[in-house]
Amino acid sequence: DAGVIQSPRHEVTEMGQEVTLRCKPISGHNSLFWYRQTMMRGLELLIYFNNNVPIDDSGMPEDRFSAKMPNASFSTLKIQPSEPRDSAVYFCASSLVSNSYQPQHFGDGTRLSIL
Amino acid sequence: RKEVEQDPGPFNVPEGATVAFNCTYSNSASQSFFWYRQDCRKEPKLLMSVYSSGNEDGRFTAQLNRASQYISLLIRDSKLSDSATYLCVVNRNQGGKLIFGQGTELSVKP
Repeated sequence: DAGVIQSPRHEVTEMGQEVTLRCKPISGHNSLFWYRQTMMRGLELLIYFNNNVPIDDSGMPEDRFSAKMPNASFSTLKIQPSEPRDSAVYFCASSLVSNSYQPQHFGDGTRLSIL
Repeated sequence: RKEVEQDPGPFNVPEGATVAFNCTYSNSASQSFFWYRQDCRKEPKLLMSVYSSGNEDGRFTAQLNRASQYISLLIRDSKLSDSATYLCVVNRNQGGKLIFGQGTELSVKP
């Protein structure tokens, strides 16, 4: 079975550029989560969607970050303009339903470096 | 204070040792609890859910004490392949929002 698929795996770009990260959740999962992981702050939830609708975006750092989920099989996380402090590993995860008891399945992550 | 706090690492243990990780959470309304494992430069993966009655999966035993807001993970007969970072994870409401601890690094040596 295909797991959560993220692209690109690695991204290196200069500050000020727009960065778009992509995620395809597991088929049939209706909740999707975007996380950011750094050494200093650990794993932080940025935003999550239920049935393609954003539910909680309180973790989105600032207006430079935006996320969309146009359909059940695709989501994007966009950073514009990017800054060096955005360098991190960005994970996408999905789960069957958004309740307390369902585990989340993570993609391989996108390693983002902003120069 | 962080909402989910774990033992500071790293834990360096020999093969065959028993090792225990502890975790505390601050929100008494938390509803569900998990241990995830993360290998170096990989994604987190669910190791096991944690139930009030305690649960076991092979060499791994998880315990939950709601009164003390405390979660533990015990690994018996540790293997080299157990080397990873173990993340204590709490879901504090009926939504899908997971709160991750900082993780405890385990290194099992031959």
